[in-house]
Amino acid sequence: AQSVTQPDIHITVSEGASLELRCNYSYGATPYLFWYVQSPGQGLQLLLKYFSGDTLVQGIKGFEAEFKRSQSSFNLRKPSVHWSDAAEYFCAVGPNDYKLSFGAGTTVTVRA
Amino acid sequence: GAVVSQHPSRVICKSGTSVKIECRSLDFQATTMFWYRQFPKQSLMLMATSNEGSKATYEQGVEKDKFLINHASLTLSTLTVTSAHPEDSSFYICSASEGAAEAFFGQGTRLTVV
Repeated sequence: AQSVTQPDIHITVSEGASLELRCNYSYGATPYLFWYVQSPGQGLQLLLKYFSGDTLVQGIKGFEAEFKRSQSSFNLRKPSVHWSDAAEYFCAVGPNDYKLSFGAGTTVTVRA
Repeated sequence: GAVVSQHPSRVICKSGTSVKIECRSLDFQATTMFWYRQFPKQSLMLMATSNEGSKATYEQGVEKDKFLINHASLTLSTLTVTSAHPEDSSFYICSASEGAAEAFFGQGTRLTVV
């Protein structure tokens, strides 16, 4: 069975500071890994995904994530946060590109 | 990127009535569509998978008679919440995929049953 754990329910960060969101997964084979962002009342927008190749993945909006097989982790990072990055972030895992299991999400608050 | 449109974005209905939510792929053929439910402050839970022209596959614990899914065309899937009750109030999101490609998500529907 596949599962995703996002240990941090809520993170507050100052504008301009760096951000790291943690994600750990459990999966029997090499998974597809994803990070999505959800603004209040909105659907999901894909930030980035990983399946194979370079373990450091670049995404949209200045985000990147690093796949570490030994730690079963896929943490999301951004060097300098903007106020518009305040949102809910979901890590997801799946056997393919479309049938996904999601983590519980991390709410990011950006303070001025 | 591909666009998936979900309608309505918000709906309020009376307890005991049925509500239909539409999920449309606007610029691709969605051979597979997924319906998720999201409770407040929680993650998305997959409810069912539907393939065009065939019956939906429901996840364990999801009542198929309660949540009717129809995927009659390659661009439209509908979720009907039958005899809705307040506990059905939730945020419902669909995603659509063409073949084995990446799935794209709709904007979601906020259902409130009063």
